[in-house]
Amino acid sequence: AQTVTQSQPEMSVQEAETVTLSCTYDTSENNYYLFWYKQPPSRQMILVIRQEAYKQQNATENRFSVNFQKAAKSFSLKISDSQLGDTAMYFCAFMKLGTGANSKLTFGKGITLSVRP
Amino acid sequence: DAGVTQSPTHLIKTRGQQVTLRCSPKSGHDTVSWYQQALGQGPQFIFQYYEEEERQRGNFPDRFSGHQFPNYSSELNVNALLLGDSALYLCASSSRRGEQYFGPGTRLTVT
Repeated sequence: AQTVTQSQPEMSVQEAETVTLSCTYDTSENNYYLFWYKQPPSRQMILVIRQEAYKQQNATENRFSVNFQKAAKSFSLKISDSQLGDTAMYFCAFMKLGTGANSKLTFGKGITLSVRP
Repeated sequence: DAGVTQSPTHLIKTRGQQVTLRCSPKSGHDTVSWYQQALGQGPQFIFQYYEEEERQRGNFPDRFSGHQFPNYSSELNVNALLLGDSALYLCASSSRRGEQYFGPGTRLTVT
């Protein structure tokens, strides 16, 4: 079974600054995806970024980038130039890749990020 | 292109009652997964439907059941509601081996 751990319950950052959210996971699988999802107070779970385990290059999406350390089973999210709209709960999630249909997502407990004006 | 839609938005039920939640997947997606999210927690996987069959199931009792229709939409049914079933229920759709996109959720309150 897979586990995802987000040990920081809350973080705060000044607008325009950079913040890094941590995530570790445990799995015996070799082929998998890792995701960061954002859930603002509106409740809508929004996909932020995806990383394929077989890719050594870290994924980047505009102001969002990850630091994927496969051997250490670490997957952190860096948000650059933080904006007020980044205020939300952020979840790290794991998905095993199989030969069949889509696999389930296993989520961490989440971290609440507050961006201060 | 409509994203994932869920209905209703909010629901209040009494212990022992039954409830049905509905989900329409994003256009082009054929797989629907259901998650339960307790307040302040991460979502927990309930089950997944593909080709109108339950393909995977999480650690939830048989009181939780589902269905997928030929148009790929899905229902989640919960029987004999308990207070602990109060949560946000999220539906996610995906294409095969693809990313999961979530709907806005249904907030269920059991009194």
